[in-house]
Amino acid sequence: RKEVEQDPGPFNVPEGATVAFNCTYSNSASQSFFWYRQDCRKEPKLLMSVYSSGNEDGRFTAQLNRASQYISLLIRDSKLSDSATYLCVVNRGTTDSWGKLQFGAGTQVVVTP
Amino acid sequence: NAGVTQTPKFRVLKTGQSMTLLCAQDMNHEYMYWYRQDPGMGLRLIHYSVGEGTTAKGEVPDGYNVSRLKKQNFLLGLESAAPSQTSVYFCASNDRTNSPLHFGNGTRLTVT
Repeated sequence: RKEVEQDPGPFNVPEGATVAFNCTYSNSASQSFFWYRQDCRKEPKLLMSVYSSGNEDGRFTAQLNRASQYISLLIRDSKLSDSATYLCVVNRGTTDSWGKLQFGAGTQVVVTP
Repeated sequence: NAGVTQTPKFRVLKTGQSMTLLCAQDMNHEYMYWYRQDPGMGLRLIHYSVGEGTTAKGEVPDGYNVSRLKKQNFLLGLESAAPSQTSVYFCASNDRTNSPLHFGNGTRLTVT
């Protein structure tokens, strides 16, 4: 079983609609969680960190469910520019955290006019 | 402020050839990483460095070597390229654990 699993999609979303997707992680000791965005054939860029209480950044909302070991990302009022692959990233949570980030394979979102 | 710069952007190698990928960052970051990205898989860590003169193995280190002689540079070497090393390689850096990773633009390597 992969440490971080994501539905690869694609999630086809009409412009203006809401889309949400999850990422599950297997290591219960994981402490840090992030969503990165990756445009086609480009480098990943941090979208947002995910905090225990949930957090919002504009049209984007991230939630953490430690009991069920998943994080979620919700995009409201989707824009064409939101089309991208969204990578879930989890820190394994060991005391030596260097190099311990685990990347999911990504969820593709396609926003259509 | 260029951030993280990778060279080259593209390369085609024949099996058995060697090459070095260069990563340079101008943010004075302590930590640097080399990842590879293959279709259907998440980024996988090849090697990383927690400071000048230090390196450590990641998940998939076989067939690669690295060096960090200067804080701003992290080199990834392929001594004898194999077709299984065809991939997109990303370098990244950050200034402390759990801080956001800054990625370079990537190197697309094809080994024939």
